[in-house]
Amino acid sequence: NAGVTQTPKFQVLKTGQSMTLQCAQDMNHNSMYWYRQDPGMGLRLIYYSASEGTTDKGEVPNGYNVSRLNKREFSLRLESAAPSQTSVYFCASSDRAPHEQFFGPGTRLTVL
Amino acid sequence: QQPVQSPQAVILREGEDAVINCSSSKALYSVHWYRQKHGEAPIFLMILLKGGEQKGHDKISASFNEKKQQSSLYLTASQLSYSGTYFCGTVLTGTASKLTFGTGTRLQVTL
Repeated sequence: NAGVTQTPKFQVLKTGQSMTLQCAQDMNHNSMYWYRQDPGMGLRLIYYSASEGTTDKGEVPNGYNVSRLNKREFSLRLESAAPSQTSVYFCASSDRAPHEQFFGPGTRLTVL
Repeated sequence: QQPVQSPQAVILREGEDAVINCSSSKALYSVHWYRQKHGEAPIFLMILLKGGEQKGHDKISASFNEKKQQSSLYLTASQLSYSGTYFCGTVLTGTASKLTFGTGTRLQVTL
């Protein structure tokens, strides 16, 4: 089992460009999450999906959109990247909230 | 509402004990503890549900005081492998899906 996988691992964007971060889990989990981690700020929830077909905003949703494509996949889209979105992005999943969350390896995003 | 963790950082010698605290100003449904090593993803340690239970995981244990909305993580006889940043995450009563993390406590264990 791969657990939670994320692509890409690293990405550099220019201001205004768009991109989609991909996340997939093979543990048959119902809930999936997107966090961003900035130095000194801890992990902040961007969006989550409690179950297939539902998505909800977290603490810092502005500038992001998500899609729960199916039970396995949960993508995060930046429509017009800004330097303030430079961060490490983690995807996580759990069998249901608020149980143990399993994190992916993260995507390090730099916006110039 | 982000929980408050203390201390922000602690340095221990191998074999010493440490306590990390996590507090919230709102009623909590559960408290979660994670450890993250530099450059890696957070790893789950334990969950405590309201009811004041205490849990243990090897030489790491935690308590949850529901009345005070506080949790403490206890690391006894620390090992080098305990080094990393510890995060508490809280779920408020009535918001079962949202886990809000504190800013973390950086723990360094030295020889």
